[in-house]
Amino acid sequence: QSVLTQPPSASGTPGQRVTISCSGSSSNIGSNTVNWYQQLPGTAPKLLIYSNYQRPSGVPDRFSGSKSGTSASLAISGLQSEDEADYYCAAWDDSLNGSWVFGGGTKLTVL
Amino acid sequence: QVQLVQSGAEVKKPGASVKVSCKASGYSFTSYYMHWVRQAPGQGLEWMGTINPSGGSTSYAQKFQGRVTMTRDTSTTTVYMELSSLRSEDTAVYYCARASGFGLLYGMDVWGQGTTVTVSS
Repeated sequence: QSVLTQPPSASGTPGQRVTISCSGSSSNIGSNTVNWYQQLPGTAPKLLIYSNYQRPSGVPDRFSGSKSGTSASLAISGLQSEDEADYYCAAWDDSLNGSWVFGGGTKLTVL
Repeated sequence: QVQLVQSGAEVKKPGASVKVSCKASGYSFTSYYMHWVRQAPGQGLEWMGTINPSGGSTSYAQKFQGRVTMTRDTSTTTVYMELSSLRSEDTAVYYCARASGFGLLYGMDVWGQGTTVTVSS
């Protein structure tokens, strides 16, 4: 059971816009920033969004992030076949001694 | 360019220990913390802990306290993660991932290629 809650799956057709949600609590998303990672099949995760909505250089502006209260979202516009991957949200959690926590991951299928 | 290169796959018996290395290059090694994250087959990502490559201080996830040791060698810009008392549930891909800054609260930006550890009798 992951500390951050994501839908296990999402799907869309090429060109569509899809969003993936990430729900947490006051000790993680509510008080810290959120990162998003993309993991293509058989590869290491790649940073997609940091500090809620910032994109590292090289990440297309089709990817965008937002945060409100204890929830965050990743939006992908102009969906492409190469976007088919697993997506994870992550945040620092202040509870106990503190730890990094992840969502369970969302498998995005491009139909 | 920033690069993290990890050691090769390992097969271990239950009860044994494994030590995974992660060689960093392309940046100032002591200016960024380093995280370790693992992923069991078909499962999500799990944070194991973080090391400060400058002073060597560590912070471990409660789940791994007493079983994990993270160290570094500044002369070779390499960090190590050793996990002891292995059990079948430790079968996973282990990743090192650079923190995006000098501190525990900086998230992972650049990831190693992963090291598969298989625990089987």
